[in-house]
Amino acid sequence: GAGVSQSPSNKVTEKGKDVELRCDPISGHTALYWYRQSLGQGLEFLIYFQGNSAPDKSGLPSDRFSAERTGGSVSTLTIQRTQQEDSAVYLCASTVITGREQFFGPGTRLTVL
Amino acid sequence: KNQVEQSPQSLIILEGKNCTLQCNYTVSPFSNLRWYKQDTGRGPVSLTIMTFSENTKSNGRYTATLDADTKQSSLHITASQLSDSASYICVVGSNFGNEKLTFGTGTRLTIIP
Repeated sequence: GAGVSQSPSNKVTEKGKDVELRCDPISGHTALYWYRQSLGQGLEFLIYFQGNSAPDKSGLPSDRFSAERTGGSVSTLTIQRTQQEDSAVYLCASTVITGREQFFGPGTRLTVL
Repeated sequence: KNQVEQSPQSLIILEGKNCTLQCNYTVSPFSNLRWYKQDTGRGPVSLTIMTFSENTKSNGRYTATLDADTKQSSLHITASQLSDSASYICVVGSNFGNEKLTFGTGTRLTIIP
């Protein structure tokens, strides 16, 4: 079956613009994670969705970042008023249940000029 | 603060040789330890997942070890192949309700013919 997909694969934007990143998890996976990978850094947890529970937003770096998951499937990460330090690869992962193997998408490379 | 440290930062070996990558962690409470392989421009792919009761797990030519007492793990790669060139990331899971993963910055492995 299909793996986790993300779009776009690359996004170049100007400072101050808003961007939306999309993640399509593996069908049937109830848990979905967003991570950020900056150059030379380890993956940084951003937000976690589990079924219909309230999302764990503890990793979001500022109120410019938000995410939603519609219908328990597709998720969108929105960054408002982008800054140059937001430039990174944004990775989405899904899993059947927390504690099990996470399957990662290919990521979206965001460049803020 | 939960931390995962990996060494070496980078490694170059000849095709066919063996190598061992190291991981030290200070994560509490400990739930599991994972090794991921990340090819350039791709999302991480899981190699092994170990709980505290497991001290070794193999996946083909990859063998991971875990010493929960000293909080150390290693990933041994046998008879390396050119396709093993990638970053190898050590990840420790912590059970705080929703599982939180702490990522190392990875070891960049290059296999040369």
